[in-house]
Order: sequence, then structure tokens, then C-alpha cells
Amino acid sequence: AQSVTQLDSHVSVSEGTPVLLRCNYSSSYSPSLFWYVQHPNKGLQLLLKYTSAATLVKGINGFEAEFKKSETSFHLTKPSAHMSDAAEYFCVVSDLWDSGGYQKVTFGIGTKLQVIP
Amino acid sequence: ETGVTQTPRHLVMGMTNKKSLKCEQHLGHNAMYWYKQSAKKPLELMFVYSLEERVENNSVPSRFSPECPNSSHLFLHLHTLQPEDSALYLCASSQDQGSGAEAFFGQGTRLTVV
Repeated sequence: AQSVTQLDSHVSVSEGTPVLLRCNYSSSYSPSLFWYVQHPNKGLQLLLKYTSAATLVKGINGFEAEFKKSETSFHLTKPSAHMSDAAEYFCVVSDLWDSGGYQKVTFGIGTKLQVIP
Repeated sequence: ETGVTQTPRHLVMGMTNKKSLKCEQHLGHNAMYWYKQSAKKPLELMFVYSLEERVENNSVPSRFSPECPNSSHLFLHLHTLQPEDSALYLCASSQDQGSGAEAFFGQGTRLTVV
């Protein structure tokens, strides 16, 4: 079974300071992991993905995440927050395909990032 | 824009009404999805279509009825909904059903059932 836990429902940072959004996962297999972002009144947009290649993954808008198998973590980071980063972020795990070939996906509950000027 | 368009953006309906949500993708994808997003809950997958055939129905009540006339269009027909069905309904598409974790999402329809 697969599951994902986002450890913080809200994170608040000052503009120009680092961002850390935490995600832990549970998986019976070798998982693929993803981060999505959702800006207000918008759909979800894929930020980055890990699919068993390099453990440090770079995404769009300066975000990156590191897969740590020993810690079952996939935390999202950015060195310097911008006002435009204010949004909700979702961690996603997938390690299963059902018999019909459909990829089973589990979303986290989301972390709202507030950026203070 | 993400290439996935949903209409309407907002919908208020009574419990006895019948309405439909529409989704259109211009990405040439073969799989399309309906998700329900409620406050403080993880995104819930409702339906998956691959090449216009339904491949997943995640125990969704029959008052939600999907339709996929072709690989570019997806509908969600609604009837006799309950107030707890109020949520943001998101449509998504992916290259195929095996890559559902790398999906492109529409902006959603904010549904309020009164």
C-alpha cells in the first residue's frame, strides 16, 4: 500500500528566505514521487518528479526535492522565496499500476505556503 | 494555460437539478480523469477514461455520471446531488493511463449544492 504524509498544513516564510515543505511517504515498492503546486483559483501544475534516477530532482521555478530512501522523505525546497510562490503544494506518491494498466496515485493533503513581504 | 479547459468555472445547483460539467483537452492525450477536491481532504480520484473507455470508477455514487464521447472531451453529469457534494471538481489528462501521476489539470469547477 502507498501513502503520503505532508507534515505541515501551513508554512509561513519571509520573502527571500528558504522554503522547506516536508513530505514523508510509505511504499511497498520503489515509488515514483511528485510535487504539484496549486495557485489560487487554478488547477494543479506538476513542479517536479522523481522516478528512480538522480535522487536530487530539480523542478520549475527554482524548486528542488531530494529523495531519501532511508528517511522515506521527499522534501521540497527553494533557496529564496518569492511572493509568487504563495500557493498550496501537494506531495504525490505512486508505486502501483492496477491490472488494467492504470497508474494508482495518492495525493497528500497539501501544504499552504504563505510568503510574507 | 495548461491545455485543459473546464466549464463552467462556478456552478450553484439545487438538490433536484440536473447539470453537467465539461472538460476539453488540447494536448493530444489519451487518458482523462475527474477528481474531487474538498477542503482538508486529499484529492479524490473519481473516474479514469483511457481512449474513451472507462477504466476506473472509484466507488462514486450514481448521482455522478461520466461521459467521454472522444479522447478530447469529458463530461460529468450531475443529478440529485447532496450538499456534501459541494467541492472543486478537477479534470485532468495524461499521455496515457500509465502516466496518470504526470497529469495536466484544468482550473476546476467550483460546485455549490444548495
